[in-house]
Formats: sequence, structure tokens, C-alpha cells
Amino acid sequence: KNEVEQSPQNLTAQEGEFITINCSYSVGISALHWLQQHPGGGIVSLFMLSSGKKKHGRLIATINIQEKHSSLHITASHPRDSAVYICAVNTPNTGNQFYFGTGTSLTVIP
Amino acid sequence: DTGVSQDPRHKITKRGQNVTFRCDPISEHNRLYWYRQTLGQGPEFLTYFQNEAQLEKSRLLSDRFSAERPKGSFSTLEIQRTEQGDSAMYLCASSLLPDTEAFFGQGTRLTVV
Repeated sequence: KNEVEQSPQNLTAQEGEFITINCSYSVGISALHWLQQHPGGGIVSLFMLSSGKKKHGRLIATINIQEKHSSLHITASHPRDSAVYICAVNTPNTGNQFYFGTGTSLTVIP
Repeated sequence: DTGVSQDPRHKITKRGQNVTFRCDPISEHNRLYWYRQTLGQGPEFLTYFQNEAQLEKSRLLSDRFSAERPKGSFSTLEIQRTEQGDSAMYLCASSLLPDTEAFFGQGTRLTVV
């Protein structure tokens, strides 16, 4: 069983739709990250969370530490949001290296 | 560009050859991480450095793999006697401190033929 589970694995949405990607983890964490990966391979950090909620433009990330769950929301989705979104956690007892989810592949259709 | 840079971006090599990748982290970042990502999977941890010290290595890092960060700045990852199973995207990331935001490079895509 992976330490980090994401759902859904694949998601197709119409432009303008509200999108939610979920992440559950089974280990104690020091922080949770949402990352975006485009087809070229490079990864961009979107959010780092240890509690509560963060917002950046049309992106919102929330985390519930008690339930070990986080969500990434995209409002008014756009084709340029099409990418793989990866949830990753830092664990405090293993040198703070990341454990990654397998990613959610999002396609937004115009 | 002051982000994390990796070189080369793409490498095609014949099975059995040695390859070396380079990662230049953001300057003053103490932590440097190497990850491997195969198609359709999330990245998997390989190793990390705190300055020049290699503090942890994954069991994925077989004897054919070696990583260095000699002066606490750039790092190299070498794979000896490459195998087809080594084909993957190799990602480097750096952070200033533990529990701070990590920045990723564009990755090096290795294809072993």
C-alpha cells in the first residue's frame, strides 16, 4: 500500500468546471505538497501545507490533519490547467524526503 | 534563471554504458534530492544530501548507482552498466531547509536501448 493515495487517477472536465482532486496519506507528516507536472516532465510546486487552507489564483488547497486528507480545487478550469497533479508529503522521521502519490492526470476540454 | 537546473534534459544510451547526470540546485539551498519517475507513476525517492553529506539512500539505489555532491553545491548521479529498467525520468529537487518548499528541476529523461 502506498503511503500517499490520490483520486481520481484520471479526470476529464469541460472548460469552466470546478475540479477537485483528493489525497489521503497514512503516515505522520510535517508538510503536504501539491505539485503540477506538465508533459515535458518538469515539476512545479503549487502549495505547501501543514494546516488549514491556501489559495493562489484559481487554485485552492485544503488539509485536514486529523483525517489525513487534502484536496486541491481548481475553479473555472481552463485547458492550460491540463497536467498531472501530484500530492506529496514530507515525513519527519525519514530525513524529510518526499513520498509521492501516483498523480492525477487532468484534461480540460475547451 | 535561478531555478534548479538539470543536464542533460534527454539521454539515450546503449545498455551497458555508463551515464552521468548533473543537478545544479538553487544557490544556498542545503538540501538536494534525487528522484526517479517511471511512466504513469509518481516519483520515487533515491537519495538526498544535506550540504555535501549524503544522508539517506533508498534501497532502489543499487550498487550501480552513485551520487555525489562534493562541494555542497551541484550534484551528480551516475549509473554504471545501464539496464533497460533504468529508463526513467530522473528528477532533482532542492530546498533551503527541511520542511520548507522544495523546487524541482526539469528532469533528465533516460532511455536505455
